[in-house]
Amino acid sequence: AQTVTQSQPEMSVQEAETVTLSCTYDTSESDYYLFWYKQPPSRQMILVIRQEAYKQQNATENRFSVNFQKAAKSFSLKISDSQLGDAAMYFCAYRTPTLLSNFGNEKLTFGTGTRLTIIP
Amino acid sequence: DGGITQSPKYLFRKEGQNVTLSCEQNLNHDAMYWYRQDPGQGLRLIYYSQIVNDFQKGDIAEGYSVSREKKESFPLTVTSAQKNPTAFYLCASSTGTGFDNEQFFGPGTRLTVL
Repeated sequence: AQTVTQSQPEMSVQEAETVTLSCTYDTSESDYYLFWYKQPPSRQMILVIRQEAYKQQNATENRFSVNFQKAAKSFSLKISDSQLGDAAMYFCAYRTPTLLSNFGNEKLTFGTGTRLTIIP
Repeated sequence: DGGITQSPKYLFRKEGQNVTLSCEQNLNHDAMYWYRQDPGQGLRLIYYSQIVNDFQKGDIAEGYSVSREKKESFPLTVTSAQKNPTAFYLCASSTGTGFDNEQFFGPGTRLTVL
């Protein structure tokens, strides 16, 4: 079974600075998807960024980027120019690719989350 | 506006009672999911459904039941057999296939057992 580990329960960063959230995972599969979700105080889960394992290029979405190290099974999230609105719980998640003959692999496996605080 | 709605936002239940949480989506998604979130833990999958009239147990299905009679609806019943039902429940939906198979989440229901 796949597992996702976030070893930093809490992180804080000064506004406008850069912060990196860590995530490691365990899998025996060669292709899979990785995601970072944000959960602000409203508790609405919002997709921040995603990465497909076979793509070597790290994904980037505006101020958010990932450092994907497949051999190390590491998937960290870097937030640049941190803003007050970035304060939230951040969850790393893993998903296997869909196989036409094996529906049921769509479920996400989540880490325990990192609470990010932005210091004004 | 397309999206996922969950109702009610807050729900209180007495011990021994069954309660049903509503989840509706108008995104025309085939797949729907129920997750449970506890403090200090990530989301854990309760049940999922890839298509109407079909659903599968997730990692923590004991004490829960679901139905999928319509594409847009996937209600979750928390039964009296669920030993610790107080939690935050999130419903999600997705197209069901492909890399762009992003799961969209509803706003959640907070269930408290009194």
